[in-house]
Amino acid sequence: EPEVTQTPSHQVTQMGQEVILRCVPISNHLYFYWYRQILGQKVEFLVSFYNNEISEKSEIFDDQFSVERPDGSNFTLKIRSTKLEDSAMYFCASSEASSGNTIYFGEGSWLTVV
Amino acid sequence: QKEVEQNSGPLSVPEGAIASLNCTYSDRGSQSFFWYRQYSGKSPELIMSIYSNGDKEDGRFTAQLNKASQYVSLLIRDSQPSDSATYLCAVRNAGGTSYGKLTFGQGTILTVHP
Repeated sequence: EPEVTQTPSHQVTQMGQEVILRCVPISNHLYFYWYRQILGQKVEFLVSFYNNEISEKSEIFDDQFSVERPDGSNFTLKIRSTKLEDSAMYFCASSEASSGNTIYFGEGSWLTVV
Repeated sequence: QKEVEQNSGPLSVPEGAIASLNCTYSDRGSQSFFWYRQYSGKSPELIMSIYSNGDKEDGRFTAQLNKASQYVSLLIRDSQPSDSATYLCAVRNAGGTSYGKLTFGQGTILTVHP
């Protein structure tokens, strides 16, 4: 069964460092997403990406965050200068379309900022 | 602010019983409704999706949607200890400036005891 894959599964980084989280969405999907879940809290939407541009972003997704689809398969989330409060599980997800289709989640990348 | 509310539980049921999980949402424009299961430290896994009023059954799971009451529920029949997890209700509003992002509830912790 096709799946969304993410790397790394776990990363520890020092505060202020840049982090890039990588994702390979399901191959025929057109919409890509990043969500995050701080330990013990809700899964929160960060950003959606379609047709090589951001289609929607949340208040969390400030100037420290950026997304990119550098080639035909990868989808990345960059955090420019990490803060302690960025520690969370980051989930990449994808779907075939924006409505009426299921969003499939990757296994997540656990980011710890120290 | 678009909200999705769930009783955080924990909900404890004996093996073989019916577990009933409930969710309300605030945005009347919501079009798609999902139940995800999340084991500790893992990603959300889709259990059921429902798009129109009424019941939808899939094996031991039944999703119920009432758009007038802005209410969606999940029934798990013949509950098994392996069903013990956090169940996330997610709502999607596509169209306009929304590109299909999911808004999650805080999740209901379900424990099925032998």
